[in-house]
Amino acid sequence: GENVEQHPSTLSVQEGDSAVIKCTYSDSASNYFPWYKQELGKRPQLIIDIRSNVGEKKDQRIAVTLNKTAKHFSLHITETQPEDSAVYFCASTSGGGADGLTFGKGTHLIIQP
Amino acid sequence: DAGITQSPRHKVTETGTPVTLRCHQTENHRYMYWYRQDPGHGLRLIHYSYGVKDTDKGEVSDGYSVSRSKTEDFLLTLESATSSQTSVYFCAISESGGSYEQYFGPGTRLTVT
Repeated sequence: GENVEQHPSTLSVQEGDSAVIKCTYSDSASNYFPWYKQELGKRPQLIIDIRSNVGEKKDQRIAVTLNKTAKHFSLHITETQPEDSAVYFCASTSGGGADGLTFGKGTHLIIQP
Repeated sequence: DAGITQSPRHKVTETGTPVTLRCHQTENHRYMYWYRQDPGHGLRLIHYSYGVKDTDKGEVSDGYSVSRSKTEDFLLTLESATSSQTSVYFCAISESGGSYEQYFGPGTRLTVT
């Protein structure tokens, strides 16, 4: 089955700097790659996603890039703010119709004031 | 947040007892999923449903069963709870299946003593 590796497990950046979180996947048939943000004690919230026919997608301060050849995708957050502090999860499908998502183990992003 | 509720939100039970968790949605989405979240493991798929009475196993289905008799309800049952099933359980829904957006419920924290 699909395997998703996520790095780093913890990332500390100064407020205003950029943060990058990277994920690799194993199944070349995977075609959908969402990112979720989870605050302590809350549900995971979808913040951005990308499909395999697109190389990059942006939404204000966040962007996701996908390299299908290398089977990796990354989350970029620019101009980080205190409210960006959370755990971020990448995920992918295994390519099936109703199949659920396979998640990375998460990155704890800490924004230092 | 999408119209998803989970009940109960917290439960403590003893080893060997049966437990049923409920996910209820008001979005009329076809696809529903159960995940568990454990420290160091991210979120892992337990079971999913692609319609009324249509269910299938996920990555960590041993010890769990599910039922979906109505579009809006997806039940997760632990036939005989074990301490290894202590976890936070999240339900998710999707309108169009695995390669499209999934939205999560608030979660159920289950402790098996």
